[in-house]
Amino acid sequence: AQKITQTQPGMFVQEKEAVTLDCTYDTSDQSYGLFWYKQPSSGEMIFLIYQGSYDEQNATEGRYSLNFQKARKSANLVISASQLGDSAMYFCAMREGLGGSQGNLIFGKGTKLSVKP
Amino acid sequence: GAVVSQHPSWVICKSGTSVKIECRSLDFQATTMFWYRQFPKQSLMLMATSNEGSKATYEQGVEKDKFLINHASLTLSTLTVTSAHPEDSSFYICSARQSHSNQPQHFGDGTRLSIL
Repeated sequence: AQKITQTQPGMFVQEKEAVTLDCTYDTSDQSYGLFWYKQPSSGEMIFLIYQGSYDEQNATEGRYSLNFQKARKSANLVISASQLGDSAMYFCAMREGLGGSQGNLIFGKGTKLSVKP
Repeated sequence: GAVVSQHPSWVICKSGTSVKIECRSLDFQATTMFWYRQFPKQSLMLMATSNEGSKATYEQGVEKDKFLINHASLTLSTLTVTSAHPEDSSFYICSARQSHSNQPQHFGDGTRLSIL
């Protein structure tokens, strides 16, 4: 079974509008971390936002916010006021276990976001 | 923020050549680094976990004799693709995170490897 599921292979959004990228996860661990990364066509992976399983508040970083619904095991990324430069692949990832563990990242298949002018 | 440097960014070489890729954490110590492989339009797949001062942990299906990993210091891990063949052509990307931390993994810029 997939640990991280991103059901949207591709998304279009109009410039200046908000967009939500879906991510659901599957784990039996009580402690885990959820991450979103952006990968432009140049290939580098850019860290966007982090949500710990014990964090009660939804994480926010500038125009990025994470809609964390623990009971539903979802961690959707919301990008507000989309910009042309937001066009990229977006990956949701999970790290199981405590911070002190090695805990490699498990990635979803990604969502390709295209921002239209 | 934390910076991870990966070198080279692009390699084109003949079949049978061995290629070494370096991954350096520039401003923090990383006891653990990770090596991923990404095929076009696919997600990142973990190849191995590189541990400073000990042997790397390889994921199932990854040949450890083919992909040699050396984590000689707290800031450097290397991946050597030995006797590379065209099917090894891919995008290889490393990541590192600070020791015993909930900090996110920081990625290098990746290496595009093309074997002719």
